[in-house]
Amino acid sequence: GENVEQHPSTLSVQEGDSAVIKCTYSDSASNYFPWYKQELGKRPQLIIDIRSNVGEKKDQRIAVTLNKTAKHFSLHITETQPEDSAVYFCAATQTGTASKLTFGTGTRLQVTL
Amino acid sequence: DAGVTQSPTHLIKTRGQQVTLRCSPKSGHDTVSWYQQALGQGPQFIFQYYEEEERQRGNFPDRFSGHQFPNYSSELNVNALLLGDSALYLCASSVFPEDTSEQYFGPGTRLTVT
Repeated sequence: GENVEQHPSTLSVQEGDSAVIKCTYSDSASNYFPWYKQELGKRPQLIIDIRSNVGEKKDQRIAVTLNKTAKHFSLHITETQPEDSAVYFCAATQTGTASKLTFGTGTRLQVTL
Repeated sequence: DAGVTQSPTHLIKTRGQQVTLRCSPKSGHDTVSWYQQALGQGPQFIFQYYEEEERQRGNFPDRFSGHQFPNYSSELNVNALLLGDSALYLCASSVFPEDTSEQYFGPGTRLTVT
């Protein structure tokens, strides 16, 4: 089955700096890679996703890159703000097959003033 | 447009008891997946229901069972509760056959087993 590894487990940045979270996956059949943000006591919320036919996707301050050959994908947050503080999870799945999401272990991002 | 809803919000049970958790999918969604999220961990897939059938199952024992109703809502049942079953149980809904695979999560049910 799929295995997703995520690093780092914790990340502290100053407001305005950039943050990068990295994930690797094991199953070459995986073709959909979402990122979820989970604030304390709340539900995971999809913030951005990327499919295997795309190398990079950007949405305002958030971007995701995918390297299929190396089987890794990364989340980039620029100009971080205190409200970006949360736990971020990467996930991987193969679409169209009653797909289950396999999650990484999460990165706790702390943005300090 | 209602999102994914779950009930109850919190639940406290004793070892050996049984529990039923409920989920209503987002409007227009027909597929429900259940995940277990232990404290400090990522969600772990339990199983997925579509057309009232279990379509895929994760690495969870038979004590975990589910059901989907004709209105697409779903239940998760856990029998013979263990202390290790204490976790946040998340329900996610999507559309089958998942061309996009976007899954929307509910707020979860926090289960504490004492």
